Amino acid sequence: EAGVAQSPRYKIIEKRQSVAFWCNPISGHATLYWYQQILGQGPKLLIQFQNNGVVDDSQLPKDRFSAERLKGVDSTLKIQPAKLEDSAVYLCASSLHRDTHHEQYFGPGTRLTVT
Amino acid sequence: GEDVEQSLFLSVREGDSSVINCTYTDSSSTYLYWYKQEPGAGLQLLTYIFSNMDMKQDQRLTVLLNKKDKHLSLRIADTQTGDSAIYFCAENDYKLSFGAGTTVTVRA
Repeated sequence: EAGVAQSPRYKIIEKRQSVAFWCNPISGHATLYWYQQILGQGPKLLIQFQNNGVVDDSQLPKDRFSAERLKGVDSTLKIQPAKLEDSAVYLCASSLHRDTHHEQYFGPGTRLTVT
Repeated sequence: GEDVEQSLFLSVREGDSSVINCTYTDSSSTYLYWYKQEPGAGLQLLTYIFSNMDMKQDQRLTVLLNKKDKHLSLRIADTQTGDSAIYFCAENDYKLSFGAGTTVTVRA
């Protein structure tokens, strides 16, 4: 079974530029999560989708971050405009459904550097 | 992460046991988890324990839960070089909350 795929693996941009990350969850997983992991910290949930609907985006900085999962499968996370403090690894995870959140499977992450 | 606290570093000799400690704050957490993160990789779920259990053993891994003190520990028996990684403790209230991670270094 293929795991969670993310691209790109690395991205370097200048502040005020825009960037987008892509995630393809495990086939059949209804719930998709985006996490931000700043160096030296644990992952912090940004947004959770159940199929194509948002379950929780309370920690998403909505003035600059957006995410969508239009067909309930792939998802994109966008930052516009980026700030220096957005430098982090962005992790995507998926689980069968919300009630099995303990069985989250993580992708390898996208490492973003904002200069 | 501020609700879950872990020591930052642990150095252990190959073949010895490692013990990683964690304290959490949410007494209503149903599950508590240990994740492993190797360099350049995502998080891998190692094990989890249901909140009404005191102990769970899974091969070389032993999880101990003290609900009264809100203390969780992970013991790795016969630590190997492949166990070098960052280990995250996590609790769930309505979402996963992670600690900052403990970097385990296994020396020969």
